[in-house]
Amino acid sequence: AQSVAQPEDQVNVAEGNPLTVKCTYSVSGNPYLFWYVQYPNRGLQFLLKYITGDNLVKGSYGFEAEFNKSQTSFHLKKPSALVSDSALYFCAVSGGGNKLTFGTGTQLKVEL
Amino acid sequence: EAGVAQSPRYKIIEKRQSVAFWCNPISGHATLYWYQQILGQGPKLLIQFQNNGVVDDSQLPKDRFSAERLKGVDSTLKIQPAKLEDSAVYLCASSLELGAEEKLFFGSGTQLSVL
Repeated sequence: AQSVAQPEDQVNVAEGNPLTVKCTYSVSGNPYLFWYVQYPNRGLQFLLKYITGDNLVKGSYGFEAEFNKSQTSFHLKKPSALVSDSALYFCAVSGGGNKLTFGTGTQLKVEL
Repeated sequence: EAGVAQSPRYKIIEKRQSVAFWCNPISGHATLYWYQQILGQGPKLLIQFQNNGVVDDSQLPKDRFSAERLKGVDSTLKIQPAKLEDSAVYLCASSLELGAEEKLFFGSGTQLSVL
């Protein structure tokens, strides 16, 4: 069975500082990894994905994620956080069965 | 490009009543998904369609939940009878094709409260 762990329920960061939202995964075979963001009263929006190739993946709104196979991690990063980045972030993994499994989410709060 | 449309936006019912949700995916998207998101948890896949056929319904509580996708476009999800633990946001999503690498486009969801 595939699974995703997001160890932090909430991450607080000051605007302008770098941010990291952590994710580790477990899956049989090659992983397909995703990050989605959810703003209040809205559906999830795709940020980025890792399929194969370069371990550093760039996505929307200046976000990027680093795939680390040995640590089975896929942490989300941004060099300089904005207040507008405050939202709920979900990591997800898809194995060979085309079934997307989500983590429990990390609430990101960016303060002035 | 129009997104995934869902209705109603909110629904409040009493336990043992029935309820139905509707979803219209992005035009041309072959794959449609229904997810259940309970407060404080990540979305959980209930059922996945490829055109009008079911690909995966292993996590659908079939004694009370049913879903259909007639003509391979719109879909409805029904709960009959509802239980308190069914209170959640029901998200519909679609993707262009069926594949582990495909990104999903989500609707805004239907928030269900069962009293």
